[in-house]
Amino acid sequence: GAGVSQSPSNKVTEKGKDVELRCDPISGHTALYWYRQSLGQGLEFLIYFQGNSAPDKSGLPSDRFSAERTGGSVSTLTIQRTQQEDSAVYLCASSPGTGGSNQPQHFGDGTRLSIL
Amino acid sequence: AQTVTQSQPEMSVQEAETVTLSCTYDTSESDYYLFWYKQPPSRQMILVIRQEAYKQQNATENRFSVNFQKAAKSFSLKISDSQLGDAAMYFCAYRSNYFSGAGSYQLTFGKGTKLSVIP
Repeated sequence: GAGVSQSPSNKVTEKGKDVELRCDPISGHTALYWYRQSLGQGLEFLIYFQGNSAPDKSGLPSDRFSAERTGGSVSTLTIQRTQQEDSAVYLCASSPGTGGSNQPQHFGDGTRLSIL
Repeated sequence: AQTVTQSQPEMSVQEAETVTLSCTYDTSESDYYLFWYKQPPSRQMILVIRQEAYKQQNATENRFSVNFQKAAKSFSLKISDSQLGDAAMYFCAYRSNYFSGAGSYQLTFGKGTKLSVIP
């Protein structure tokens, strides 16, 4: 597609449920990032993919969070046993190559997750 | 670890006037990139301008320019001839240019400045 696509746009769920958030990066972009934006906060890094592997998971806040990427394209971020503090906007970004040098990251519109 | 600080949670500017948004950062590295992103209510982060640390010349993109002071670790954004469409959250971000081993070039963001444009 022309840009990074994320779905769903909004998700409301009950505490304790599992949720899956999807990111479809720009075609050909091998680097993919997940960020979380909590109310009144900047974005915090969660995880980085290069192709299908995730060499940097250092930002995942707990073992309830996991992510995978298949076919070097679509990525899914899964949050198990959701808690109210998981409420946030989850943003996905992609960039060409290794993501280094002067290649900017292109962001999607994010998924707003609300935990009741 | 790097940190990015935006000391102005909110700013306002009269339409057609000029406004400057502040950003400071802390790093021990010498090779990095700095970015300003705009986030309108649609939530999408839009790249406004970027600056490579090794370039002394300040970056400009049409009405947007930066004042990059490497020694002071300051990276302010100037918006000239402000327009109603400039109203948004603005985030300053840092990215190392060193290969960390994990190969991640994630962005480190400030908490943002909400810019309002008054007609």
